[in-house]
Amino acid sequence: AQTVTQSQPEMSVQEAETVTLSCTYDTSESDYYLFWYKQPPSRQMILVIRQEAYKQQNATENRFSVNFQKAAKSFSLKISDSQLGDAAMYFCAAMGYNFNKFYFGSGTKLNVKP
Amino acid sequence: DAGITQSPRYKITETGRQVTLMCHQTWSHSYMFWYRQDLGHGLRLIYYSAAADITDKGEVPDGYVVSRSKTENFPLTLESATRSQTSVYFCASSGQRNTEAFFGQGTRLTVV
Repeated sequence: AQTVTQSQPEMSVQEAETVTLSCTYDTSESDYYLFWYKQPPSRQMILVIRQEAYKQQNATENRFSVNFQKAAKSFSLKISDSQLGDAAMYFCAAMGYNFNKFYFGSGTKLNVKP
Repeated sequence: DAGITQSPRYKITETGRQVTLMCHQTWSHSYMFWYRQDLGHGLRLIYYSAAADITDKGEVPDGYVVSRSKTENFPLTLESATRSQTSVYFCASSGQRNTEAFFGQGTRLTVV
């Protein structure tokens, strides 16, 4: 089984600034995958970024990057040059290699101030 | 249209009634999931399916039943709805093992 913890229920960032959302996880599997999903007010779940645990290099997608610390079981999301459209709920998720079940954290609501 | 669709989008039902939420995907994805989303809890896995006729319990399966006779459909049934089952329900699917999950639009269910 896996658990995913997001300790920041809500965060705020000024437009054009950088913000980091935290996520820790626990898993008994030796290989797994980690994800960040965005949920805007429309309720649609949108994949932001994906990280394979066996890769040491941190994943990057445009303004979004992760800081993956495998030993610490930490998977934070950094958003650079924040935009108003980044305002949403962000969910961290983990999936074990063998079971293909996605487990989600409780989410962080990100507010972007103009 | 291709994708994953849920129906209905909104549903109000009375306590004790049976209600079924539908989920249909057009990608022939092997894996399908049902989640419920509640404030403060994020998304919690109710049931998942690895293929047609193969289902397994998730974190919060009590009070729910699923079936998967066809790859593309994965209905979720609340056998006797309770107020605690008021929630937003999401269906998702994924293809190859360990690829991302694609989500439906969600169903907001209210049990009165």
